[in-house]
Amino acid sequence: GQQLNQSPQSMFIQEGEDVSMNCTSSSIFNTWLWYKQDPGEGPVLLIALYKAGELTSNGRLTAQFGITRKDSFLNISASIPSDVGIYFCAGQLGPSGSARQLTFGSGTQLTVLP
Amino acid sequence: GAVVSQHPSRVICKSGTSVKIECRSLDFQATTMFWYRQFPKQSLMLMATSNEGSKATYEQGVEKDKFLINHASLTLSTLTVTSAHPEDSSFYICSARSPSGRFNEQFFGPGTRLTVL
Repeated sequence: GQQLNQSPQSMFIQEGEDVSMNCTSSSIFNTWLWYKQDPGEGPVLLIALYKAGELTSNGRLTAQFGITRKDSFLNISASIPSDVGIYFCAGQLGPSGSARQLTFGSGTQLTVLP
Repeated sequence: GAVVSQHPSRVICKSGTSVKIECRSLDFQATTMFWYRQFPKQSLMLMATSNEGSKATYEQGVEKDKFLINHASLTLSTLTVTSAHPEDSSFYICSARSPSGRFNEQFFGPGTRLTVL
């Protein structure tokens, strides 16, 4: 299936640093979602974005829905060791039928060094 | 939040056997569930959409006779990997759409690690 272009593929940062990752697509999505996956677990929803230009925060996490509807970014401020994991973006076209399906990015592996 | 469970969490089987994986929505009813496969260090790839009371919709390239999906109730979908082979070894994850949330909120199960010897 189609995948979103997510970058960077991996990041090694010092504890306390800020992190930024993004996703781009050749096609428009009407919803952007950001998930975190710990090893051996399913993805957990972090932030959901529903409108172009929307900027939403969840604690130290901030995500934006690009104005063109073809991209989104996720920022993590003041990283801590438990931020380690794989972060996935996902796009969705709409609420019904095949449009409900999520298209996932390739993931960003985040490592936080003490 | 909505909770989705999967059973078993990991299974090891011999080549040629069939394996059934259950996906349950614990505190909500889900008319639609999704099955994904994830290979090591890769993203989630949608295999099929499971619809309660009707046939599943499979993605291109996914063999419906090999990956049997049954969505018999509003809280349970099962994926059966028939005649499993080593190349079927993977992490299988289900998700369910909660009707109480926004239309695009899918909640994921914890995944099932399948190893075929």
